[in-house]
Amino acid sequence: GQQVMQIPQYQHVQEGEDFTTYCNSSTTLSNIQWYKQRPGGHPVFLIQLVKSGEVKKQKRLTFQFGEAKKNSSLHITATQTTDVGTYFCAVEAGFQKLVFGTGTRLLVSP
Amino acid sequence: DSGVTQTPKHLITATGQRVTLRCSPRSGDLSVYWYQQSLDQGLQFLIQYYNGEERAKGNILERFSAQQFPDLHSELNLSSLELGDSALYFCASSVSGANEKLFFGSGTQLSVL
Repeated sequence: GQQVMQIPQYQHVQEGEDFTTYCNSSTTLSNIQWYKQRPGGHPVFLIQLVKSGEVKKQKRLTFQFGEAKKNSSLHITATQTTDVGTYFCAVEAGFQKLVFGTGTRLLVSP
Repeated sequence: DSGVTQTPKHLITATGQRVTLRCSPRSGDLSVYWYQQSLDQGLQFLIQYYNGEERAKGNILERFSAQQFPDLHSELNLSSLELGDSALYFCASSVSGANEKLFFGSGTQLSVL
């Protein structure tokens, strides 16, 4: 079945440092979604990427979809303590089956 | 507030028991998804319903079953519970399908003792 790996599993940064998480698929994707889950919270949708090579920005967050549509990245510039949480990518793995990646847990120290 | 309501928030039960988790999707959403999140684990897809019909199945155990009712609320039934079933169970909804963003409920924390 569809396998979606995220790296790194965990990252601890100082406030103000940049952060990047990568999502890699073994197959070509039709689209990819990104979610954030705060500690003790539920996943919250961030963005969806559909086109090859697509880049979207949300304030300090930059999302990119690979040219081959097999990988994606989320980059946070100048992290803040409010960025703490786990970031998941999610892809369709068969009809109507939205599968989440393994997640990257981000810890930001002030 | 995502608009997705899950009850109960917490559930403590014993091995061998059966429980029912309930989910009310956002108003207007026809699709409901169930996910399981174990401690420090990712989100495991269990099952998806659209307008009352099962559309997709993940690694859902045979001891687990679900349904979506005519009013679009959904229930996840877990039976013959084992210690390893302890987890956070999330329900999510979308207007129609998996190519849309999901709105998650706050989850039901199940503890099997």
